[in-house]
Amino acid sequence: GAGVSQTPSNKVTEKGKYVELRCDPISGHTALYWYRQSLGQGPEFLIYFQGTGAADDSGLPNDRFFAVRPEGSVSTLKIQRTERGDSAVYLCASSLSGQAGETQYFGPGTRLLVL
Amino acid sequence: AQSVTQPDIHITVSEGASLELRCNYSYGATPYLFWYVQSPGQGLQLLLKYFSGDTLVQGIKGFEAEFKRSQSSFNLRKPSVHWSDAAEYFCAVGVGNTDKLIFGTGTRLQVFP
Repeated sequence: GAGVSQTPSNKVTEKGKYVELRCDPISGHTALYWYRQSLGQGPEFLIYFQGTGAADDSGLPNDRFFAVRPEGSVSTLKIQRTERGDSAVYLCASSLSGQAGETQYFGPGTRLLVL
Repeated sequence: AQSVTQPDIHITVSEGASLELRCNYSYGATPYLFWYVQSPGQGLQLLLKYFSGDTLVQGIKGFEAEFKRSQSSFNLRKPSVHWSDAAEYFCAVGVGNTDKLIFGTGTRLQVFP
């Protein structure tokens, strides 16, 4: 595809449930980032992948959050035992190689609502 | 700690007027600075970026920004605003060797005809 895609575009779940959010980066991009954007805020960094490995997961808020990228392309963000405070737009971005100053291309996001 | 401040939460301008959106950053090393625009229902789109060289950077849609190290600023400007520029604008700094982005809280631009 031409850009970064994310599925689903919207997800409504109940408190305590498990959710998976998918990101399909631009083909050939080795760097992949997840961000979270709460209402009225700028995006906040969650985790960065270089290839298959999580090179920086310092932004994950707690151990309920986990992400994988097993083949170095598609990534899945997993949230266990969801809480109402997890409601936000989850953004995925990719860049060619993750070098400093490279442009990150963002997907449209997944809007998560935890009831 | 690294941070980005966008002092103006909401700005309203008339179509055709000039625009300046403010951005201040805090970062110990040479910063990589970005401006992104987010329209309703759309993803973040890069307007322009600075990482070295000329401190006046030209971007898409007629936008420009000037990096001023002495003021730790990277303000976004446009000489004549169009109604289609109404959106949320985010300033960001790229940090560390992973180049993760630290964003400001955004400025919402409203354009009146």
